[in-house]
Amino acid sequence: NAGVMQNPRHLVRRRGQEARLRCSPMKGHSHVYWYRQLPEEGLKFMVYLQKENIIDESGMPKERFSAEFPKEGPSILRIQQVVRGDSAAYFCASSPLGTGSSYEQYFGPGTRLTVT
Amino acid sequence: TQLLEQSPQFLSIQEGENLTVYCNSSSVFSSLQWYRQEPGEGPVLLVTVVTGGEVKKLKRLTFQFGDARKDSSLHITAAQPGDTGLYLCAGPPNAGNNRKLIWGLGTSLAVNP
Repeated sequence: NAGVMQNPRHLVRRRGQEARLRCSPMKGHSHVYWYRQLPEEGLKFMVYLQKENIIDESGMPKERFSAEFPKEGPSILRIQQVVRGDSAAYFCASSPLGTGSSYEQYFGPGTRLTVT
Repeated sequence: TQLLEQSPQFLSIQEGENLTVYCNSSSVFSSLQWYRQEPGEGPVLLVTVVTGGEVKKLKRLTFQFGDARKDSSLHITAAQPGDTGLYLCAGPPNAGNNRKLIWGLGTSLAVNP
């Protein structure tokens, strides 16, 4: 069973360009979460999505950032007009649809975005 | 607001030593999870503790959930360099149906050979 896949692993963008980060959840998982992490820091929640729905985007900056999880295909985190402060590691996690209360998450390897 | 506080924030020890890291809250959690994140990788789920007072062992790692389900600890026996990483605890919120986890900031562990 393939794990969570993220691509690209490394992404370099110049200031003002767009960054598109992709996440394919584990097979059978219908919940996707995006996190941002700076070096030597913990995870910062950005957004939680189910297929075709944004459930919680309370951690997402109001401007330039958007996320989607279409019916078909991977989840996309889009950052428009990137600035140097957007440089970070972005992690995607997925969890299964189920009645359990633990809500365990399974993470991808991350995309390291560098803005030059 | 439910919070998880982890301590210590940083820990640097020699190979072979024992250590304990903590995850504390003033709120009750239905369960708590521990993850380890190695440098350059995503976090990996180690264990979920569900029952108050529960103890789970994973080789040299021992996880405990407090009786009141407000805190958890991770004890590592005879630490090895391969244990180096960021240890994160997380738990589901008590209110609502939101599956977004509440995360601690982590304990960064360095085990020196």
